[in-house]
This record gives sequence, C-alpha cells and structure tokens, in this order.
Amino acid sequence: DVKVTQSSRYLVKRTGEKVFLECVQDMDHENMFWYRQDPGLGLRLIYFSYDVKMKEKGDIPEGYSVSREKKERFSLILESASTNQTSMYLCASGQGAGANVLTFGAGSRLTVL
Amino acid sequence: DQQVKQNSPSLSVQEGRISILNCDYTNSMFDYFLWYKKYPAEGPTFLISISSIKDKNEDGRFTVFLNKSAKHLSLHIVPSQPGDSAVYFCAAAHNTDKLIFGTGTRLQVFP
Repeated sequence: DVKVTQSSRYLVKRTGEKVFLECVQDMDHENMFWYRQDPGLGLRLIYFSYDVKMKEKGDIPEGYSVSREKKERFSLILESASTNQTSMYLCASGQGAGANVLTFGAGSRLTVL
Repeated sequence: DQQVKQNSPSLSVQEGRISILNCDYTNSMFDYFLWYKKYPAEGPTFLISISSIKDKNEDGRFTVFLNKSAKHLSLHIVPSQPGDSAVYFCAAAHNTDKLIFGTGTRLQVFP
C-alpha cells in the first residue's frame, strides 16, 4: 500500500512563529504536492514538486515555501504564521508526469492563534 | 476564479437510493477527471476517473458520466450505503498538468 505520512496531525502555533509541516512517502513517487482544505473552498494547491530540489508554485503560494532535499520528503514551511493560515494541510504524492492519481496523507490541522 | 465547481455543498439520500453528485468545469482544455472521497480526519482517497475520450466509466456501484459539450460530469452511486457518507471532491486536469479540485459535496446517506 502506498503510504503518505504527515508527522503532525494537530498543531497550535502563535502568530509570527515559523512552522514546519513534514510529509514522507514510501513508494518512490516522483511528484509531491501540498494542498490546503478550507470549508467552501475545497482543496487548493500551494506548492508542488516533480523532482528533488525542484519546486513549482501552485495557486496560493503566498506566505509559504517548500523544501525537497530527498525524493521521499516534501516539507511545507510557514515563515511567519498568520491567523489566515489556520487550515487543514494535505500532502499528496503521485507517479508519472503531472495529472495522475494522487495518494494523500491524513492531513495536518494547523491552528494559528 | 473557480475552474471546477460543485454547486451543491451537501446532499442527503436514503439508503438504497441513487446518489448523484454533480461537477461543472469552465476550462475546455481539461481532459482528465477524477472523483475523490474524504472521511473526517482522513486524507482524500481516489474513487474513480474518466478521460475525455469516454463519456462513461463504471466501477461497481460507482459510475461517472462526462458531458463535454456541457462541461459537466456527475458521479452516480447505486445503491447508496451509509458508509458512502463523506465529502466528495471532483478534480480535473489538462494533459499532464496539475489537478484542480472542486469545493466538495458532503453526502449523507441515512437509513
């Protein structure tokens, strides 16, 4: 079974703190993605990566950065957390180029106070 | 601008009946469509997909219909079961580009 693991299920941070969300996949997938899910807005793509050390902006990259130093790991970084970044963050991975069936992690619910 | 829209935020269906979830898209270049199901506190899981060269794809109780001229797709679940209660997301992509998700529809199947 393909497994995507998000290490933190629930986080509570204060405004201005730096936040790291970690994601690891164990199926040697080339592509990894970070989405956020908000009520009424669905899943919105923040950043994605098609290879190690490569990153591409998604639809809402502002306030976020990412790191992909190893193929299996894709980290989402909030340099200075703000209350409007309170959300459910979902990591996904997939094989092949671009659009394909994605496997998602269980999500990380972040609350910024 | 929402390229993939699910206009019904929620749907309630009796067990054993048909559930029909709808999705509209605006980008005529989309050629690959998927449905995902999401339970609370879990990540979305892939359900079924269809490419633009087809107008129907079936997998057990789940059937997806694609109407390219109307830029509309629908997911039919027959018969609906209580375990189908979840949030359903449609997603679309052009060629090998990234997936664009809709806003989701919460399905509740009651006994």
